[in-house]
Amino acid sequence: RKEVEQDPGPFNVPEGATVAFNCTYSNSASQSFFWYRQDCRKEPKLLMSVYSSGNEDGRFTAQLNRASQYISLLIRDSKLSDSATYLCVVNGGRGSTLGRLYFGRGTQLTVWP
Amino acid sequence: SQTIHQWPATLVQPVGSPLSLECTVEGTSNPNLYWYRQAAGRGLQLLFYSVGIGQISSEVPQNLSASRPQDRQFILSSKKLLLSDSGFYLCAWTERSPYNEQFFGPGTRLTVL
Repeated sequence: RKEVEQDPGPFNVPEGATVAFNCTYSNSASQSFFWYRQDCRKEPKLLMSVYSSGNEDGRFTAQLNRASQYISLLIRDSKLSDSATYLCVVNGGRGSTLGRLYFGRGTQLTVWP
Repeated sequence: SQTIHQWPATLVQPVGSPLSLECTVEGTSNPNLYWYRQAAGRGLQLLFYSVGIGQISSEVPQNLSASRPQDRQFILSSKKLLLSDSGFYLCAWTERSPYNEQFFGPGTRLTVL
């Protein structure tokens, strides 16, 4: 079983749409959760950390459900510039390699005008 | 602020040739350092990580090796490249806490012919 699983998409949405990505993880001991964004042929960049209480950063909202081992990312009012691949990332938890992160394969988003 | 550098940005090498990719981090001390590979259309694969000078751990068996000669320098090497070594090589760093996000360098795109 993979550590982190995501729907690969692609998601194709018009500008202004709301889109949601989901992710599940297998290690119940994981302590840290992130969403990264990766543009074509570029390095992944941190979009936001995900906190237990849920958190919002502008048009982006992240939620964590520890009981279900489920993470989500909601993008409101989509912009053309949101087109990218979104990576769900989870750490290995206690006892794992120090700082080890597990990356999902990503969900591809295309926003069209 | 911290920055991470990688070079070269792109590289085309024949099968059987050696490889040396370099990564340096500025603006921090004692970082954890990581080498990842991303094959075309695939997820990130952790190759090596290091928690200190001379301390290297390998995640997968392969014909690659890594070294950390200085605190903020991480080198990925191969004596003889294979076609399957083609991919996007990314260096990343994190602070010493095991719960922190990782930050990536711009990557090296390697094509082995």
